[in-house]
Amino acid sequence: DIQMTQSPSTLSASIGDRVSITCRASQSIDSWLAWYQQKPGRAPKVLIYKASTLESGVPTRFSGSGSGTEFTLTISSLQPDDFATYYCQQYKGYPYIFGQGTKLEIK
Amino acid sequence: EVQLVESGGGLVQPGGSLRLSCAASGFTFSSCWMLWVRQAPGKGLEWVANINQNGREKYYVDSVKGRFTISRDNAKNSLYLQMNSLRAEDTAVYYCARHGLAAAGFFDYWGQGALVTVSS
Repeated sequence: DIQMTQSPSTLSASIGDRVSITCRASQSIDSWLAWYQQKPGRAPKVLIYKASTLESGVPTRFSGSGSGTEFTLTISSLQPDDFATYYCQQYKGYPYIFGQGTKLEIK
Repeated sequence: EVQLVESGGGLVQPGGSLRLSCAASGFTFSSCWMLWVRQAPGKGLEWVANINQNGREKYYVDSVKGRFTISRDNAKNSLYLQMNSLRAEDTAVYYCARHGLAAAGFFDYWGQGALVTVSS
């Protein structure tokens, strides 16, 4: 199985900061990677798919980059609504695997 | 508006069975791959199973193979998850979700989730 490792597990930041979350795959997944945002008690919401394609309706301060085994989710200027947990997910092959999550907290 | 509404969650004893349902609306259900994802309390997301448009192609995570069965009824716009031989480690919120465009392996719409608790 392909393993997905996110870092950091927790990130403390302030409104207006630029932040990045990294996701590493145990083998190449080309660009078959999605990023999700989840708030407590709510279902996940897709932000980015195919590594860098922004889902419709998602603010442009979110961006994704990378291919192969290393990927990054960047938020260019943190807004209050962005404090949540973020997950990457590979869909190169079965089983689909999510990263363990990165909790973005207010500093 | 796309809507996915799960039902059928609850408390069940170890070794018991439960059937989750997901009612879909707002899109052409019969044209979409569908799936279940679960999240144990305080933990991350785990893909459980998915199914193609006509129900003939199904995939499962190893930990549920032989115990869980995913199915669908396109006439009723409904997705199901039959869960047998339930274990404590199956305790989770179970989300119904839809595959993204062109059956890509990301998930663009999710239900609100159904809590399944396996405990004596």
